[in-house]
Amino acid sequence: GAGVSQSPSNKVTEKGKDVELRCDPISGHTALYWYRQSLGQGLEFLIYFQGNSAPDKSGLPSDRFSAERTGGSVSTLTIQRTQQEDSAVYLCASSSRTGGTGELFFGEGSRLTVL
Amino acid sequence: DQQVKQNSPSLSVQEGRISILNCDYTNSMFDYFLWYKKYPAEGPTFLISISSIKDKNEDGRFTVFLNKSAKHLSLHIVPSQPGDSAVYFCAASESLTGGGNKLTFGTGTQLKVEL
Repeated sequence: GAGVSQSPSNKVTEKGKDVELRCDPISGHTALYWYRQSLGQGLEFLIYFQGNSAPDKSGLPSDRFSAERTGGSVSTLTIQRTQQEDSAVYLCASSSRTGGTGELFFGEGSRLTVL
Repeated sequence: DQQVKQNSPSLSVQEGRISILNCDYTNSMFDYFLWYKKYPAEGPTFLISISSIKDKNEDGRFTVFLNKSAKHLSLHIVPSQPGDSAVYFCAASESLTGGGNKLTFGTGTQLKVEL
């Protein structure tokens, strides 16, 4: 596809369950980012992947959060034992370059609701 | 500790007038500043950016001004159009170890352009 694709677009889960969110970046983009936006908040950086380098995980809020990127393309963000405070829109973004302006191309997001 | 602040959650202007959106930051290490626009149920889209070594960048109806001494930037939209109604996020970019850019976002300003 032409843009960043995320699935599911909406996910409702019960507290304590695990969830997986998927991101398919723009073809050829080597950099991939996960952000989240909680209600009334700005976008919060979670994790960054660049090629085959070790990811920058400095934004992950707890060890319940993890992400992987297979083959330098598709990424999965996993949240284990979900809590109500995990409810947010999770946004994936990709970029064709490192450095420079930092322009990122965002997907439409996955809205997670933890009951 | 919010490093990027947008103190106005909303702004309403008349069509044809100028819209001015403001943003303040605290980290002197940011090397680029960006504005993103977001419509409901869509991901943010890049609008315009400015390097920290510049004080102005113009692109059509959009101009971004940077005042480094005041750690302040603003986005001017003139003339404003109804289609500009959206949430505008200010973002600041810093380089990540190993390449890539981490964007720190403000909480956004909802712009409404009225007929």
